[in-house]
This record gives sequence, C-alpha cells and structure tokens, in this order.
Amino acid sequence: GESVGLHLPTLSVQEGDNSIINCAYSNSASDYFIWFKQESGKGPQFIIDIRSNMDKRQGQRVTVLLNKTVKHLSLQIAATQPGDSAVYFCAENGSNTGKLIFGQGTTLQVKP
Amino acid sequence: EPEVTQTPSHQVTQMGQEVILRCVPISNHLYFYWYRQILGQKVEFLVSFYNNEISEKSEIFDDQFSVERPDGSNFTLKIRSTKLEDSAMYFCASHTSPTNEQFFGPGTRLTVL
Repeated sequence: GESVGLHLPTLSVQEGDNSIINCAYSNSASDYFIWFKQESGKGPQFIIDIRSNMDKRQGQRVTVLLNKTVKHLSLQIAATQPGDSAVYFCAENGSNTGKLIFGQGTTLQVKP
Repeated sequence: EPEVTQTPSHQVTQMGQEVILRCVPISNHLYFYWYRQILGQKVEFLVSFYNNEISEKSEIFDDQFSVERPDGSNFTLKIRSTKLEDSAMYFCASHTSPTNEQFFGPGTRLTVL
C-alpha cells in the first residue's frame, strides 16, 4: 500500500547550524509533495511544496529536494533558529481529490 | 490574512454522545477536508468534500461520521455515537484546487470519556 514515512523521529541541532529532515515515500505515481511544520497545539502549517517535474525548490531559508529515483524527499533549513523547533511532516498528494498522506513526523529541537 | 477557523477549540463528551465539529474555510476555497491526529501520531485523512458532496473518504470515516456544508460558509463534521478511540485533534483544511497550498485550521481537541 502507499505510505509516506520519515527516517528519524527526533533531530537535535545547534542554533545557526543547517538542518536536514528526510522522508521516504512509496507511491511512485505521486506528483506533488509538501512539507508542513506543526508547533505544539497548532495545526499543520505549509512550508514549501514541490511537484514531481522538479528536483529542487527553494524558499526563504528552506530548500526541498526530491529524488524520484529512490523516492526520497528532504527538507533543508538553513541557519536553524529556536523558532524552527517543531514537528515536521512530509505529505504526499494521494489522489486528484487533494487528499494528503502524511508521514510520521520528525521533531526538530534547536539548542541555543 | 484569511484563515481557516474551527470551533470549539476543545470538546469533551461522553462515549455514545453525538458531537458536531465546526469549521469555517477560507471564503473563496472550493475543496474541503477533515483530518485527525491522535496524540503523538501522524495526521490522518478522513474525508474530502467538493461541489457539495464527498469526493473521497478513508476507512476511518465509517457510517458514524458525516460531513455537511449547510450554508455558504460552514463545514461540519458529525460523529453520531462517539467512541473512546475517537479522541484526537480534528483539523479542517481547505484550498482552491487539489494541487495548491492546503490551509489548515487550528484544530478541535475532542476528548471522549
């Protein structure tokens, strides 16, 4: 069956360092991927997305990389700040109805 | 900036009772969703809704669940007879099209006792 998962449950980084959060997906037909940030007690917040016809997309301090060959997605956060501490989920557009399939989530802890 | 709103923020109910969770999606959005997140777990899709009908639902969304868009602004999720395992955060989301950014509400925490 289709699934989206994350490699590590918790990532701890020093403030100012770069963070890399990884995600694997299994549905090779997926054509749209999203990274969400979820802070405690809040709903998922869109960070960045990428379509399958791209392999890299950059936003403000964030970069998403897509490797379709190995079905791998990563989120890179440059100069990580304390405010980046949250749970990060990758999600896959599971069908043309817009349904999202979420991964398990990686907790990012930023140490001052 | 427009946002998805949800009420109540926290709902406590007895097992077997009916609950209605309410959402007001962003006004020009056409696609609406409910997701749930059991504490410490990933977000799970429940149902998608477009053009006044369900377009897709998950295995979780059994006949105890229903959705409705009773007017031009509200989108509701009803659970007819709640079970202990329905305790979770329920998120509403909406967007203009299936490949555009999906906006999530702040969630309703449902506690079934």
